[in-house]
Amino acid sequence: SQQGEEDPQALSIQEGENATMNCSYKTSINNLQWYRQNSGRGLVHLILIRSNEREKHSGRLRVTLDTSKKSSSLLITASRAADTASYFCATDSNDYKLSFGAGTTVTVRA
Amino acid sequence: NAGVTQTPKFQVLKTGQSMTLQCAQDMNHEYMSWYRQDPGMGLRLIHYSVGAGITDQGEVPNGYNVSRSTTEDFPLRLLSAAPSQTSVYFCASSDPGRWNTEAFFGQGTRLTVV
Repeated sequence: SQQGEEDPQALSIQEGENATMNCSYKTSINNLQWYRQNSGRGLVHLILIRSNEREKHSGRLRVTLDTSKKSSSLLITASRAADTASYFCATDSNDYKLSFGAGTTVTVRA
Repeated sequence: NAGVTQTPKFQVLKTGQSMTLQCAQDMNHEYMSWYRQDPGMGLRLIHYSVGAGITDQGEVPNGYNVSRSTTEDFPLRLLSAAPSQTSVYFCASSDPGRWNTEAFFGQGTRLTVV
């Protein structure tokens, strides 16, 4: 069964706006990762946050992790057309096997 | 540095046929895995390997076989294709440590079983 669930399923925003998506999971984790998938392509790793971290930044990306609520959020600031993609959270629960959610599809309108 | 290479990119099979999806990585990663991606369901783990000679089942292993004779290669075999195996298949590799399991993905194989 899948560990992570993203919310919302789909998101449409104007270029320049911020995009926020959330991920909830069920069991304790070593780390949580976010991946991006452009249409018809493989997944690309964006950012990893460890279970003892609460917030992490990478360029225009900000990830938070709340282990007490078993949830994470990904914020993309100042969105661009190139950010149009599907975004997946994946959890590693101490066995090196990543468990993925169903993803959030983000559309950035020009 | 090619990363993870999957072949073929597209394949159409008839029900009952068998085939092998190839996956190769050049990063000397110990951990390799196969996922399938279906609409609305994200990625589901089929089989994985933690090193040459070691394989194990994931979430949806039925109908698939794997082997890992070398660190570089991790082929996925469909024994007798069924329409339910129509999907996009991704191979991934990683070099897991205590805190780092970032995975590198191939570009995928889009398989249609008719």
